[in-house]
Amino acid sequence: NAGVTQTPKFQVLKTGQSMTLQCAQDMNHNSMYWYRQDPGMGLRLIYYSASEGTTDKGEVPNGYNVSRLNKREFSLRLESAAPSQTSVYFCASSVSGANVLTFGAGSRLTVL
Amino acid sequence: AQRVTQPEKLLSVFKGAPVELKCNYSYSGSPELFWYVQYSRQRLQLLLRHISRESIKGFTADLNKGETSFHLKKPFAQEEDSAMYYCALRGSTGTASKLTFGTGTRLQVTL
Repeated sequence: NAGVTQTPKFQVLKTGQSMTLQCAQDMNHNSMYWYRQDPGMGLRLIYYSASEGTTDKGEVPNGYNVSRLNKREFSLRLESAAPSQTSVYFCASSVSGANVLTFGAGSRLTVL
Repeated sequence: AQRVTQPEKLLSVFKGAPVELKCNYSYSGSPELFWYVQYSRQRLQLLLRHISRESIKGFTADLNKGETSFHLKKPFAQEEDSAMYYCALRGSTGTASKLTFGTGTRLQVTL
């Protein structure tokens, strides 16, 4: 049982490049989330999907897009990466609503 | 808006000393509060939630609605408690789909 799987684990981008962070869960959870973790800022919600077919903005959505591809998968896309998007990104899922979240291992992104 | 405040970035205690990690929140309704923990090289995971009213790894937390606080306590710190601790809030309506985290407190337990 893998839980929440994120890929890639590490990525270095140049300013202006695009990339997609992938997230998949195998727990049949309805809700999925993308957070970013920055020193001194804690975890901030980027986007979430309360259920398959819906997505909503969190606290810091600018510069990001998401796709809830199906119940299992929730991807995060950076269309034109900026140095301010250097961070560790966490995907999480929950059975329903922001109840108990199960987190992925994180993806460390550096934008030069 | 919902907000979670953890005033201490770092809390350093000696092994065997009591621990109190502070968490205050701002929310107009009835929130649900959680503590999550991230040990070194491990995933962020749930430590406890206020509705369970249970003790996990010796930690307890009581929701004080009057003081809008949810402090995490342990009577005797252990080395293995060293980790990053996050307090989090889930709203009761509208924002029930979102979990808002505080900025985190790093607990360092030394010999």
